[in-house]
Amino acid sequence: KQEVTQIPAALSVPEGENLVLNCSFTDSAIYNLQWFRQDPGKGLTSLLLIQSSQREQTSGRLNASLDKSSGRSTLYIAASQPGDSATYLCAAADRNQFYFGTGTSLTVIP
Amino acid sequence: DTGVSQDPRHKITKRGQNVTFRCDPISEHNRLYWYRQTLGQGPEFLTYFQNEAQLEKSRLLSDRFSAERPKGSFSTLEIQRTEQGDSAMYLCASSLEGTSGTYYEQYFGPGTRLTVT
Repeated sequence: KQEVTQIPAALSVPEGENLVLNCSFTDSAIYNLQWFRQDPGKGLTSLLLIQSSQREQTSGRLNASLDKSSGRSTLYIAASQPGDSATYLCAAADRNQFYFGTGTSLTVIP
Repeated sequence: DTGVSQDPRHKITKRGQNVTFRCDPISEHNRLYWYRQTLGQGPEFLTYFQNEAQLEKSRLLSDRFSAERPKGSFSTLEIQRTEQGDSAMYLCASSLEGTSGTYYEQYFGPGTRLTVT
């Protein structure tokens, strides 16, 4: 069974700093990997999807990379802002379902 | 396209009662997923539909849980004889599986928070 791990569990940074969130998965036979943001008590908002044949995706200040062979993905956030404070979740997909990590709780301090 | 919607947003029920949740996916999406999320954890997969067919069920989905997607549109998740351990956020998501076998991103609804007292 796919196991997804996210490190660190929590992160606090000053505004303006660049940061990297890590996601690792045990089974490299994934179809794609998706990063989400979740605000407290809310549903998940999709940030980026990387297909298994891709190495990275970019959207605005966000860049996600995928290395299937090593079972790793990273989410890079440039010039962090207080509005980026949320929990960030990664999910690795096989044909039938997404397997989620427990998330990284990010706090950006003004 | 108004996104994925779920109803109700909150449900408080007494142990032993039955509850039903509804999910309306993005209209052109052929896949619909149900997840359960407890505090501090990532969502856990429960089941998914490809159009109206239920193709995969997690072992988390005990015989007290049943899901339907009549006509491949909206879906319902019913929990019978609720237990306190069922208290969680129930999330619905939809996505599109392309004809070439490409899987597109999942879009989540706001969730239904269930509290069993």
